[in-house]
Amino acid sequence: DIQLTQSPSFLSASVGDRVTITCRASQDISSSLAWFQQRPGKAPNLLIYAASTLQSGVPSRFSGSGSGTEFTLTISSLQPEDFTTYYCQQLKSYPRTFGQGTKLEIK
Amino acid sequence: EVQLLESGGGLVQPGGSLRLSCAASGFTFTSYGLTWVRQAPGKGLEWVSTSGRSGGIFYADYVKGRFTISRDNSKNTVNLQMNSLRAEDTALYYCVKHDGSGFYVNWGQGALVTVSS
Repeated sequence: DIQLTQSPSFLSASVGDRVTITCRASQDISSSLAWFQQRPGKAPNLLIYAASTLQSGVPSRFSGSGSGTEFTLTISSLQPEDFTTYYCQQLKSYPRTFGQGTKLEIK
Repeated sequence: EVQLLESGGGLVQPGGSLRLSCAASGFTFTSYGLTWVRQAPGKGLEWVSTSGRSGGIFYADYVKGRFTISRDNSKNTVNLQMNSLRAEDTALYYCVKHDGSGFYVNWGQGALVTVSS
């Protein structure tokens, strides 16, 4: 199975900050990676797919990069609604796996 | 507009069974893969099972042999039959529609399954 490790698990930042979340895969997954945002009590929302493609309707302050085993999600200027939890997911092989999540908190 | 509406959740005793259904609308049902993802209270996302658009079926090891995914193309529903339920199966179960490349684009609001005596 492919393991995904997100870092950090918790991140404190301020409105307007630029933040980066990293997702490392236990083996090469090419660009078969997605990023989700999940607000409390809501279903996850796809932000980025194929490692770097912005999903329609997602603000341009979100961006993704990477390939192989290391990936990043960057939020260029944090807005109040961005303080929530983020997950990466690999779609290279079954079983599909998610990272453990990164909770972004207001400093 | 894509809509996914889960039903069938509830409280069940350990060892019991439950059948979740996901009624889909707003897209050509037979053209897309569908997946169940679960989330235990306060925990992260966990993939459960996928019914691929080409007929492939996949299960996580922790549900293999106990859960069965099926599609009813006449009713545009995907079902998850859950047998031999355990306390650790307690979670909110999401129905998810793939896009053409398999990415998880559309999510339902979830069905809560509680396994407890």
